[in-house]
Amino acid sequence: NAGVTQTPKFQVLKTGQSMTLQCAQDMNHNSMYWYRQDPGMGLRLIYYSASEGTTDKGEVPNGYNVSRLNKREFSLRLESAAPSQTSVYFCASSELPGGASNQPQHFGDGTRLSIL
Amino acid sequence: AQKITQTQPGMFVQEKEAVTLDCTYDTSDQSYGLFWYKQPSSGEMIFLIYQGSYDEQNATEGRYSLNFQKARKSANLVISASQLGDSAMYFCAMREVGRYGNKLVFGAGTILRVKS
Repeated sequence: NAGVTQTPKFQVLKTGQSMTLQCAQDMNHNSMYWYRQDPGMGLRLIYYSASEGTTDKGEVPNGYNVSRLNKREFSLRLESAAPSQTSVYFCASSELPGGASNQPQHFGDGTRLSIL
Repeated sequence: AQKITQTQPGMFVQEKEAVTLDCTYDTSDQSYGLFWYKQPSSGEMIFLIYQGSYDEQNATEGRYSLNFQKARKSANLVISASQLGDSAMYFCAMREVGRYGNKLVFGAGTILRVKS
């Protein structure tokens, strides 16, 4: 069972380039999330999608856009990459709309993104 | 806004001893949930344990237990009989109600090193 799959695993971009990070889950989860992880700051939510057709901003949405393509897939786009967006990006999913009270989020393995 | 505080940036523990990782939270909600995740050096996020605000008893999962003190707003993770494989980053997270559904707010994490 693959769980949550993120592509690519590593990427180097130049400032100003655009890029889409892909995420797919095969657990029939309704809710999906994008986080970034920076040293000393834990994980911070960028955007989330509680169910197909809905997306909402998290704590750090500036410079990002998302698309919930279908129930399985949730992509994150950087339109004009900046060095401040150098980070490790995690996608996650959970079972019920918004995540049931005791349902954990399941995480992908992360994408390590460097912006030069 | 809710907040999670993990005051121990790093901890050392001797193999086979118990260790407590601290987590305090700030919320005005009556219903909330607290999660602990483990992140080994390989980078994946592994769900460990969950505690609901209305749960009567402290949560336990194998060698992991949660010392939940609601009045003090603390949810400390206790790892018994530490093993070398427990060396990792540990994150405390709280479920927060968003506009369209639930999301998680993470603390900055605690790095645990188990010594042989």
